Amino acid sequence: DSGVTQTPKHLITATGQRVTLRCSPRSGDLSVYWYQQSLDQGLQFLIQYYNGEERAKGNILERFSAQQFPDLHSELNLSSLELGDSALYFCASSPPQGGNEQYFGPGTRLTVT
Amino acid sequence: AQKITQTQPGMFVQEKEAVTLDCTYDTSDPSYGLFWYKQPSSGEMIFLIYQGSYDQQNATEGRYSLNFQKARKSANLVISASQLGDSAMYFCAMREGGGGNKLTFGTGTQLKVEL
Repeated sequence: DSGVTQTPKHLITATGQRVTLRCSPRSGDLSVYWYQQSLDQGLQFLIQYYNGEERAKGNILERFSAQQFPDLHSELNLSSLELGDSALYFCASSPPQGGNEQYFGPGTRLTVT
Repeated sequence: AQKITQTQPGMFVQEKEAVTLDCTYDTSDPSYGLFWYKQPSSGEMIFLIYQGSYDQQNATEGRYSLNFQKARKSANLVISASQLGDSAMYFCAMREGGGGNKLTFGTGTQLKVEL
């Protein structure tokens, strides 16, 4: 158990819908990262937050947005869902002193039908 | 250009044997870090080992060691005394100094440990 929690574990929804994925980092970690793992794109970095502020942005679609709250949990919002958004979405966290490890949560498997 | 290349889509190894999973990387940043993660069929990503670009010694963590050859830009993972539980997908990843802490992943190597 990495200490990073993600809910829900599985999500099935229809095209055009909107969903919210939630992540709680390890205790004491200030950084949260979101990654998408799909069959065609592999593992891709989406976005990073550090202590509530956006720190880095990757290949995140405009239909997707994220935020980190004062209690450090983070939410990834996916809207106008398409079939191609079906993927495993991971959240990871890392220690505040720039520690080398990124600890991944168990992931949320999103299926868009 | 691919920043992380894993050329072995699949590997087989016999139980108790050692296996090397290849990873090459491409960066012009002098400060970077290299990671290996294991993803079993259950889906979670498990951190295995880390090597910094300025580290003099090759990293080791139990049965895992990282064969870091900086001039060749390679960071191969060596698993000694393979166990059935090592069967999984293995990903090499890189963090570049100027790119925040985001990780760039390779395409992975599926390892199967056989009796």
